[in-house]
Amino acid sequence: ETGVTQSPTHLIKTRGQQVTLRCSSQSGHNTVSWYQQALGQGPQFIFQYYREEENGRGNFPPRFSGLQFPNYSSELNVNALELDDSALYLCASSGDRGRGEQFFGPGTRLTVL
Amino acid sequence: KNQVEQSPQSLIILEGKNCTLQCNYTVSPFSNLRWYKQDTGRGPVSLTIMTFSENTKSNGRYTATLDADTKQSSLHITASQLSDSASYICVVSEMNNNDMRFGAGTRLTVKP
Repeated sequence: ETGVTQSPTHLIKTRGQQVTLRCSSQSGHNTVSWYQQALGQGPQFIFQYYREEENGRGNFPPRFSGLQFPNYSSELNVNALELDDSALYLCASSGDRGRGEQFFGPGTRLTVL
Repeated sequence: KNQVEQSPQSLIILEGKNCTLQCNYTVSPFSNLRWYKQDTGRGPVSLTIMTFSENTKSNGRYTATLDADTKQSSLHITASQLSDSASYICVVSEMNNNDMRFGAGTRLTVKP
């Protein structure tokens, strides 16, 4: 176990809805990164939060947004869900702005119908 | 086009045998390269991290090599075990931002 937790484990939504996914980072870590992993593919970097500020973003539209709280836990929000948003969403916590080792959570499986 | 390419896409070996997985990348400037093991439906688990100045790193039966000149890395697994069955993912970080580029992974199956 990495000490990184994510909720919920599974989620089913319909097109156009909004979703919020949550991640609790490992104790002592101030950086959280979010990834989208489609079936059979490697994870794609969405964005990273360091000390409550966005600290890098991948090639995802603005309807993917995030938040990091003072305790370094984080949320990923996706608006106007599309079918292609169906994926495993992973968060990873680390120190040192992600330069060091990253510890991944178990992921949230999102299905958009 | 993905800047991290892994080969083979899948591999089946017998328990006890060795294998080598390949990773080629075009990410530049390069900060570090990581290998992860991911069991189905689980989050990836870190195996090795190498900076551009390192050319080999071991973690038990896993040995990663890096050639920063040719932009190639390999992960060698010795004396494979059934529990090694998983996807192995190569991840390359860019120097100037925190974008981590993941390969699509190699799916390894170890059979008894």
